[in-house]
Amino acid sequence: EAQVTQNPRYLITVTGKKLTVTCSQNMNHEYMSWYRQDPGLGLRQIYYSMNVEVTDKGDVPEGYKVSRKEKRNFPLILESPSPNQTSLYFCASSLFGGTGVKNIQYFGAGTRLSVL
Amino acid sequence: SQQGEEDPQALSIQEGENATMNCSYKTSINNLQWYRQNSGRGLVHLILIRSNEREKHSGRLRVTLDTSKKSSSLLITASRAADTASYFCATDALAGGTSYGKLTFGQGTILTVHP
Repeated sequence: EAQVTQNPRYLITVTGKKLTVTCSQNMNHEYMSWYRQDPGLGLRQIYYSMNVEVTDKGDVPEGYKVSRKEKRNFPLILESPSPNQTSLYFCASSLFGGTGVKNIQYFGAGTRLSVL
Repeated sequence: SQQGEEDPQALSIQEGENATMNCSYKTSINNLQWYRQNSGRGLVHLILIRSNEREKHSGRLRVTLDTSKKSSSLLITASRAADTASYFCATDALAGGTSYGKLTFGQGTILTVHP
């Protein structure tokens, strides 16, 4: 089954404790992206990757890191989480970050993060 | 304000009625997409309309695009309780005539369909 898998689904942590949220897709998609969703603010892009070893900042990259060592995986790293990073996070992938229908995005189920 | 703003923010209707949601955006686009999100879950793609298209249908969904007004609408006909969800428009903006695949999402319309 074609899917984007995020783990964990729920995470409670404390300020300053490094964490990683994993994202994996089995559709051989080039493009992957991380979003955060906050009430009243919609979805905002954190980082994206157009292919292996190619990553770039989205609209709200501060406090986050990503890597893309393999095509299927795109982990999100919070080196020193703070309470303002409490949010619902989504990973998404698409076939190609280009024109036409190829950039329909497929989303993971989400990771709800609470930073105390 | 953000690219891709939906209106209204919330819509409450009875089963069987039609639901119309609007989206406005600011820049030239390659395409515009609509997504649905059930409470707290991942978004699911509904329909994509290209910048050179004016109307598109998919089942009970009808999407229109007016590039001169930079606006789109999503119509759900004969709504059902199961259509209760948040609906987001997302724009694939052009930069120098090129799309880089980045989708910018609006804040969404919360649709509640009462049985």
